[in-house]
Amino acid sequence: EPEVTQTPSHQVTQMGQEVILRCVPISNHLYFYWYRQILGQKVEFLVSFYNNEISEKSEIFDDQFSVERPDGSNFTLKIRSTKLEDSAMYFCASIRPGLTPGNEQFFGPGTRLTVL
Amino acid sequence: TQLLEQSPQFLSIQEGENLTVYCNSSSVFSSLQWYRQEPGEGPVLLVTVVTGGEVKKLKRLTFQFGDARKDSSLHITAAQTGDTGLYLCAEPNAGGTSYGKLTFGQGTILTVHP
Repeated sequence: EPEVTQTPSHQVTQMGQEVILRCVPISNHLYFYWYRQILGQKVEFLVSFYNNEISEKSEIFDDQFSVERPDGSNFTLKIRSTKLEDSAMYFCASIRPGLTPGNEQFFGPGTRLTVL
Repeated sequence: TQLLEQSPQFLSIQEGENLTVYCNSSSVFSSLQWYRQEPGEGPVLLVTVVTGGEVKKLKRLTFQFGDARKDSSLHITAAQTGDTGLYLCAEPNAGGTSYGKLTFGQGTILTVHP
């Protein structure tokens, strides 16, 4: 069964460093998302991406964040200069409308980002 | 921004007991989804409810959507240890311009003890 994959599973970085979180969405999906979940808090929407451009971003997704789909396969989230408060689980998700009942959004297993 | 309130936040029960988790909003939901998330994994969709008053069953799980589409519940009958996890309600496309964007409730952490 196709699945969304994410690498790495755990990333530890120093404050101020750049990190790139990688995702491979399901191949025939069209919409792509990043969410984050700070420990003990709810899952929060960061950004949605469709047709090679951002379609919506949240207040969290400031100038330090960027997304790319460089090769039609990978979908990356870059944080330019990490802050302590960026420590969280980051989930990638994808969807192809009409493919499943309820337009199921498929989530990857997440990358745990720890900023020291 | 749509706010989804889930209750209870924590639920600890014995195997075989029944339980109900609630998801409420002050605004009308366009539709509502329930997800289950296990440690180290992403959320997995359980069900989507769309019509007011709708009831859907998934084995021992029963999902209800309120008549006014402002609340939903998840009822588990005869809970098993394998039901342990985080249960999340989410509304797709809660405002904004992008298709499918999910707004989540804060979740209910369910622990079922043997």
